Amino acid sequence: ETGVTQSPTHLIKTRGQQVTLRCSSQSGHNTVSWYQQALGQGPQFIFQYYREEENGRGNFPPRFSGLQFPNYSSELNVNALELDDSALYLCASSDLAGGFPETQYFGPGTRLLVL
Amino acid sequence: DAKTTQPTSMDCAEGRAANLPCNHSTISGNEYVYWYRQIHSQGPQYIIHGLKNNETNEMASLIITEDRKSSTLILPHATLRDTAVYYCIVNANFGNEKLTFGTGTRLTIIP
Repeated sequence: ETGVTQSPTHLIKTRGQQVTLRCSSQSGHNTVSWYQQALGQGPQFIFQYYREEENGRGNFPPRFSGLQFPNYSSELNVNALELDDSALYLCASSDLAGGFPETQYFGPGTRLLVL
Repeated sequence: DAKTTQPTSMDCAEGRAANLPCNHSTISGNEYVYWYRQIHSQGPQYIIHGLKNNETNEMASLIITEDRKSSTLILPHATLRDTAVYYCIVNANFGNEKLTFGTGTRLTIIP
């Protein structure tokens, strides 16, 4: 059983650019959630994808968007990057069976620096 | 989501039991208590979760009070590798599993 993987591990962009981060979910999991973690803070929920549909969204602007693919892997896209987007971006996968909160397992994260 | 309150930081001697408290006085009947930890710059690691009974696994024990308003995570024999930020989270978003992280407890294991 493979765990959650994310790519790239580190990324440097400049303001106004666009970025795509990738996540492969743990084997057997159908749900991917994305979180943003600024330095010194806890992770903040961005959105969740379940079976290729957005299934909940946190307080993030529309320039944060995502996709989930049939194999349940996922992408996070951020347009028009701002300096405050510099953070650790975390992906978590779970098996949303319904009826129970299922444990989310996190990947190692992608550290994004916006200059 | 119910909110949790944790001490900002704690120290524990290596080899001793580390007891990390968490208050969740507004927890609802269908909300679980989850514990994660995050070692510097890595992704959060799941530790344990429970609803109302005490739970134990290979990593830790979780003690939940009878009224469910507080809980304690116990690391029975702390090692230096247990130095991390520990997050207590309550979660009951069936079908929409948003985890709401607070600032956690920074646990430092002292040699």
